[in-house]
Amino acid sequence: EVRLVESGGGLGQPGRSLRLSCAASGFTFDEYAMHWVRQVPGKGLEWVAGISWDSGTIAYADSVKGRFTVSRDNAKNSLFLQVNSLRAEDTALYYCAKVRYPSTTSSYFDYWGQGTLVTVSS
Amino acid sequence: SYVLTQPPSVSVAPGQTARVSCGGNNIETKSVHWYQQKPGQAPVLVLHDDSDRPSGIPERFSGSNSGNTATLTISRVEAGDEADYYCHVWDRSNDHRVFGGGTKLTVL
Repeated sequence: EVRLVESGGGLGQPGRSLRLSCAASGFTFDEYAMHWVRQVPGKGLEWVAGISWDSGTIAYADSVKGRFTVSRDNAKNSLFLQVNSLRAEDTALYYCAKVRYPSTTSSYFDYWGQGTLVTVSS
Repeated sequence: SYVLTQPPSVSVAPGQTARVSCGGNNIETKSVHWYQQKPGQAPVLVLHDDSDRPSGIPERFSGSNSGNTATLTISRVEAGDEADYYCHVWDRSNDHRVFGGGTKLTVL
């Protein structure tokens, strides 16, 4: 059974940093690209970042480029999102998501975690 | 950047057909995927590649994609279909993923 479990959210002060994690199990993690998607409570989905299976291809939404860094540790079946220079508008539920097909970055998302909530406030 | 436009809400009576549109420039050249999200839950894939259903998704869910509009169609709508629906594409030009703003389906 595929499982994605996010952690690391919480209350962060403006300008500070947080590191989000996503622990994956139930599939061969190092064969699949992974993504982060966020959702402001009561609002829509916003794609944040994606990373290929080998970390060779990384992409960011314009809204977070330069402040967020996505990475992965295939040996530990883990995905990360380093969130720097926190802003109020970063307050959201952050989901990690797995792509359907291995060895491709263009596929849709077939599994999602339950999300970790980031609240930015002083 | 590529933009997907969805109506904020669609309402339909039980047993009727609901259609949720997703507009984008020349969207027919892209593969469109659809997710269903119920309150307090993570999104669930209901259609991929315009009209393919993952296993476990009822045949009542179908899709099309032509010109500048992709459409998710839900036939014989049930109360359990009430949810937010999001369309999603890959923008090849910048390797970005794009979501529509979401449509709240209300079953009257």
